Amino acid sequence: NAGVTQTPKFQVLKTGQSMTLQCAQDMNHEYMSWYRQDPGMGLRLIHYSVGAGITDQGEVPNGYNVSRSTTEDFPLRLLSAAPSQTSVYFCASSARTGMNTEAFFGQGTRLTVV
Amino acid sequence: AQSVTQPDIHITVSEGASLELRCNYSYGATPYLFWYVQSPGQGLQLLLKYFSGDTLVQGIKGFEAEFKRSQSSFNLRKPSVHWSDAAEYFCAVATGGGNKLTFGTGTQLKVEL
Repeated sequence: NAGVTQTPKFQVLKTGQSMTLQCAQDMNHEYMSWYRQDPGMGLRLIHYSVGAGITDQGEVPNGYNVSRSTTEDFPLRLLSAAPSQTSVYFCASSARTGMNTEAFFGQGTRLTVV
Repeated sequence: AQSVTQPDIHITVSEGASLELRCNYSYGATPYLFWYVQSPGQGLQLLLKYFSGDTLVQGIKGFEAEFKRSQSSFNLRKPSVHWSDAAEYFCAVATGGGNKLTFGTGTQLKVEL
């Protein structure tokens, strides 16, 4: 099982460039979300989606856009990269059925903005 | 708003010694609690979870955690640590299901041989 797949694994951007971090899951999960991980701060929620066509902001949404056109995919867009967006990004998915669910995480994308 | 506190940033234990990692949460309703482990350069792996019922929860790799509502705690324990347990450990609380998680800042575990 592939689970949650993130691409690319590593990326270096120049300030002002744009890019899209890809996330795909093959578990037919309705819930998907993006987190960023910074040293000493744990993981913080950027955006999340409860199903295709529905997205909402998390704790740190500024500078990021998302869309959810299919159940499987949840891309994260950086419109104009800034050094403060240097971080490790994790995508997660979880089932909606009931409350007894857990999040499955991808392997992460390490982004450096210079 | 919910929050999670992991008071220990770094912990060092000897191989074979017991381990307890602390986690305190703040949440108004019944919490859904998780412990994740992250090895260097890897994603997060779920160790165990608490939703309801028995307050002592068993997980993978010999870990367990006890939910104590009166103390707002969900401490992670292991009776005998192995060198391969060296990693970073995160406690998290969910507002509903596993989608929106609030994480603690993590505890880095070092195991001395």
